[in-house]
Amino acid sequence: QQPVQSPQAVILREGEDAVINCSSSKALYSVHWYRQKHGEAPVFLMILLKGGEQKGHEKISASFNEKKQQSSLYLTASQLSYSGTYFCGTEGGNQFYFGTGTSLTVIP
Amino acid sequence: DGGITQSPKYLFRKEGQNVTLSCEQNLNHDAMYWYRQDPGQGLRLIYYSQIVNDFQKGDIAEGYSVSREKKESFPLTVTSAQKNPTAFYLCASTPWGVQPGELFFGEGSRLTVL
Repeated sequence: QQPVQSPQAVILREGEDAVINCSSSKALYSVHWYRQKHGEAPVFLMILLKGGEQKGHEKISASFNEKKQQSSLYLTASQLSYSGTYFCGTEGGNQFYFGTGTSLTVIP
Repeated sequence: DGGITQSPKYLFRKEGQNVTLSCEQNLNHDAMYWYRQDPGQGLRLIYYSQIVNDFQKGDIAEGYSVSREKKESFPLTVTSAQKNPTAFYLCASTPWGVQPGELFFGEGSRLTVL
């Protein structure tokens, strides 16, 4: 039931863009995105509730395609502070599942 | 300030001992969750609870037990039956409605078995 993310890891230089994908084998009704710094708890970024809806958060935005059961997170003009592991999250029945995670490293 | 408090932050245990990790929230959230995270891995669901005196197993409940006697508290016991308990444990809560809202996390408890 765990959503699958791709890529598993990515290294960027400051200012470059990245896309992280999240795919589920089950129907998605909403998708969450979180970022986790090493040794810390995940921090909420955004929720997408409707198919095709795109939400933004400064230079981080996301899209949600209900039909394809996929969501993508877009990071533009990356900053050093964007480094961390990104997780998508979805609910399945009464449970809440996190994706496999994408490690993102931004270097100067 | 509202939030979730987990304790202890670090815990060392000898093999064969049970340990209990505390999770308390003052956000008045109905749903609470326990996740386990191994190094370089994602979060796996251990147990969850949507209401007082009710809880359900997640994907990796074997060797763990929980209780939900109060809305604000959801302690996790790692029993001696858990074969590989060394991990980072995260507690989370959310106001459960038609769909789950943002999950609020505690700072985590790092358990090491010696």
